[in-house]
Amino acid sequence: AQSVTQLDSQVPVFEEAPVELRCNYSSSVSVYLFWYVQYPNQGLQLLLKYLSGSTLVESINGFEAEFNKSQTSFHLRKPSVHISDTAEYFCAVSDGFQKLVFGTGTRLLVSP
Amino acid sequence: DTAVSQTPKYLVTQMGNDKSIKCEQNLGHDTMYWYKQDSKKFLKIMFSYNNKELIINETVPNRFSPKSPDKAHLNLHINSLELGDSAVYFCASSQVGVAGYEQFFGPGTRLTVL
Repeated sequence: AQSVTQLDSQVPVFEEAPVELRCNYSSSVSVYLFWYVQYPNQGLQLLLKYLSGSTLVESINGFEAEFNKSQTSFHLRKPSVHISDTAEYFCAVSDGFQKLVFGTGTRLLVSP
Repeated sequence: DTAVSQTPKYLVTQMGNDKSIKCEQNLGHDTMYWYKQDSKKFLKIMFSYNNKELIINETVPNRFSPKSPDKAHLNLHINSLELGDSAVYFCASSQVGVAGYEQFFGPGTRLTVL
C-alpha cells in the first residue's frame, strides 16, 4: 500500500522568504508524484508532477520539487514566496493506476 | 469553460434526509472520482468509475451510492444523512493511458448536516 507523509501541518513564512514543504512517500512500486494546491474555498489545482526523467520539476509560478528516490521524498520549494501563495498544499502519490493517495496537507501562511 | 463542475456548491440539510450531488466533466476523460475532504482537510478517495463501471469502492457506508449515467457524469446520492457526513466532496476526472493519471478536480460541494 502507498502512503504519503507531510510532517508540517502549517508553515508560517514572511513574504519574499524561501520556503520548503516536506513530503515523504512509501511505495513498493514505481510511483508518480504530484503537488496540488488548494486556495481558500476552492478546489484542488495541479501545481507540478513527477512522472519520469529529470528529478527536478518546476511549475509556472516559481515552485519546484525534487524527486529523491533514495530518501523517498518529493519536497516542494520556492526561493521567494508571495502573499498570494497562501494556501493548502497537498502531496500525492499514484502507482500508475487510478488511485491517488494524498498526504494530510501543509498550510502555507505568508505574511507581510 | 469549466472543466469539472459540481452542483450544488453548498448544501445544508437535516439529519436523516437524502441528498444528491452532481458532477460533470467536459474534458473527454473516461474516469471519474469522488473524494471526501473532512474538517481537518484530509482527502480520501471514495469511488472511481471508468467508462461507467465502478472500479474503486473504498470503505464507504452503503448509504453512499454513486451513479454514472455516462462517461461525462458521476453523481453521488447519500441516504439517511448523518452529522459525520458533513464535509467537502470533490469530484475529479482523468484519462486512462495518460501517464500518472493526472486528475482534474471540481470546485467542491460543501455539505453541512444539522
